[in-house]
Amino acid sequence: GAVVSQHPSRVICKSGTSVKIECRSLDFQATTMFWYRQFPKQSLMLMATSNEGSKATYEQGVEKDKFLINHASLTLSTLTVTSAHPEDSSFYICSARHGEGTYEQYFGPGTRLTVT
Amino acid sequence: GQNIDQPTEMTATEGAIVQINCTYQTSGFNGLFWYQQHAGEAPTFLSYNVLDGLEEKGRFSSFLSRSKGYSYLLLKELQMKDSASYLCAVMDSNYQLIWGAGTKLIIKP
Repeated sequence: GAVVSQHPSRVICKSGTSVKIECRSLDFQATTMFWYRQFPKQSLMLMATSNEGSKATYEQGVEKDKFLINHASLTLSTLTVTSAHPEDSSFYICSARHGEGTYEQYFGPGTRLTVT
Repeated sequence: GQNIDQPTEMTATEGAIVQINCTYQTSGFNGLFWYQQHAGEAPTFLSYNVLDGLEEKGRFSSFLSRSKGYSYLLLKELQMKDSASYLCAVMDSNYQLIWGAGTKLIIKP
């Protein structure tokens, strides 16, 4: 149990275009989902926390107008990278938490974004 | 500020034992996690400690000392597939995970 999927696994896009990444909890309801970014040889950096039905909470330094997060249901959260630039190229990983009282985060397989 | 320290890289021999240390300073403490991450993949959960002591799970064990702000992950009977990065993460008072930079473990035959 506790499987999280991400789509797409890899995406290449041109500078200036937008890319949407989906994160789904397949066999549980995720009240909270997290979006991370990881650059090569660096640790995970939390971008934002999203709770179903409410606005995402963004970490300091993360532009909310550039990284749009929508947590429309208990099983789906999306991250849209708007007007992508080469410096946005990174490994984007989502994770999901069952609910209050459980602390383990289940990670999706990640999305490798390359902006040319 | 909040800080998680772990060695950048370690090397060990197949079949041996290795201990990866993690020290932390965080605003509050709601548990410490160890994750394994193979290159190009997402992290996978290994262990969770919230009370002092040793938790054993097969070849992997994790230890916590809250008074010392210290944890270690112990890997026994090392296998080549254990070559990966090992991430230490602490859940702070806001239930946010604070991540260490990870320890890259290289296993040699």
